[in-house]
Amino acid sequence: GQQVMQIPQYQHVQEGEDFTTYCNSSTTLSNIQWYKQRPGGHPVFLIQLVKSGEVKKQKRLTFQFGEAKKNSSLHITATQTTDVGTYFCAAGNNRKLIWGLGTSLAVNP
Amino acid sequence: DADVTQTPRNRITKTGKRIMLECSQTKGHDRMYWYRQDPGLGLRLIYYSFDVKDINKGEISDGYSVSRQAQAKFSLSLESAIPNQTALYFCATKGSSTDTQYFGPGTRLTVL
Repeated sequence: GQQVMQIPQYQHVQEGEDFTTYCNSSTTLSNIQWYKQRPGGHPVFLIQLVKSGEVKKQKRLTFQFGEAKKNSSLHITATQTTDVGTYFCAAGNNRKLIWGLGTSLAVNP
Repeated sequence: DADVTQTPRNRITKTGKRIMLECSQTKGHDRMYWYRQDPGLGLRLIYYSFDVKDINKGEISDGYSVSRQAQAKFSLSLESAIPNQTALYFCATKGSSTDTQYFGPGTRLTVL
């Protein structure tokens, strides 16, 4: 079945450094979503990308969807301690989501 | 989201006991999901339901059963709990016109 690979699994950065997590699929995706889970919390929807080559920004977060709609990335500029958590990508097919394993981000102050 | 609630929030039980986890939502969504989360394994789908008469198995349904009592309620049961079912369990909801899922706060289950 459809799988979504997400890398890296873990990332430690110093506060102020940039961070990127990548999501890849062997098949064309209809859309990709990104969620954030804070430590001790539940996944919270961040954004959905639908169009080939789409780029969306939310303050310091930049989300991209590849031209072939097989990969996506989330980039955080100048990380802050509030960015700590696990970031998941998920591919939607209207029935259910296919989840990546997530990237856990730790930020050293 | 406060619109999706789960009870209990924490539960410790013993091997062989029957356990029910409950999920309620006020979002008016017709689709509901049960996931379990284990460290390093992400979110794995147990069961999902599109309405009270439509129940579907997910990737790890063995050892679990569900009941959709109403559009707003979706319960997960462990008929005979075993230690490897120790995990964090999440309920989620989704409307029919979007792929976005909204999660409950989770239930941390420990099976001794």
